[in-house]
Amino acid sequence: KQEVTQIPAALSVPEGENLVLNCSFTDSAIYNLQWFRQDPGKGLTSLLLIQSSQREQTSGRLNASLDKSSGRSTLYIAASQPGDSATYLCAVDRDDKIIFGKGTRLHILP
Amino acid sequence: EPEVTQTPSHQVTQMGQEVILRCVPISNHLYFYWYRQILGQKVEFLVSFYNNEISEKSEIFDDQFSVERPDGSNFTLKIRSTKLEDSAMYFCASSTQGTENTEAFFGQGTRLTVV
Repeated sequence: KQEVTQIPAALSVPEGENLVLNCSFTDSAIYNLQWFRQDPGKGLTSLLLIQSSQREQTSGRLNASLDKSSGRSTLYIAASQPGDSATYLCAVDRDDKIIFGKGTRLHILP
Repeated sequence: EPEVTQTPSHQVTQMGQEVILRCVPISNHLYFYWYRQILGQKVEFLVSFYNNEISEKSEIFDDQFSVERPDGSNFTLKIRSTKLEDSAMYFCASSTQGTENTEAFFGQGTRLTVV
């Protein structure tokens, strides 16, 4: 059974710092991996999608990497801003259903 | 940009009542999904729907739940007799193909509160 784990559960960093969020999954037979952002009480905003054949994807200050064989992904956020404060969810896709991690709650200190 | 829309954004219902959550997927999408997130917990898969039938469902999706595509644009989730533990955020998603090939787009969710 696929399990997705995100470390750390919560993170506070000063504004301007670069940071890395970690995700691991137990079954490497995935079709793709996706990072989402969720603001408190709100919906899911897709940030980056990495297909299983890809190693990384970039969007602005965000860079996500995927090492499928080791079951790991990282989300790198450069030059963090207070507006980046949110929960970041990692999710893997297999057999037409998406399995989510519990998320990392990120707080950027002004 | 096309988006998945869900109504209502928040619904309060009494235990034992029936509720219908509504979703309008992106117009050219063929695959539809419902997920839920109990407060403080993971987002969980409920059901996938393609070609007017359920293609997969989780153990959460018991006989109290049903889905329907009543017309060409809406996709609904019905909970027949709500329980307190059904209180959660419910997300609808859609994709052009199965999610192994394409990205699923999520709606903003309906917060269901059962009292």
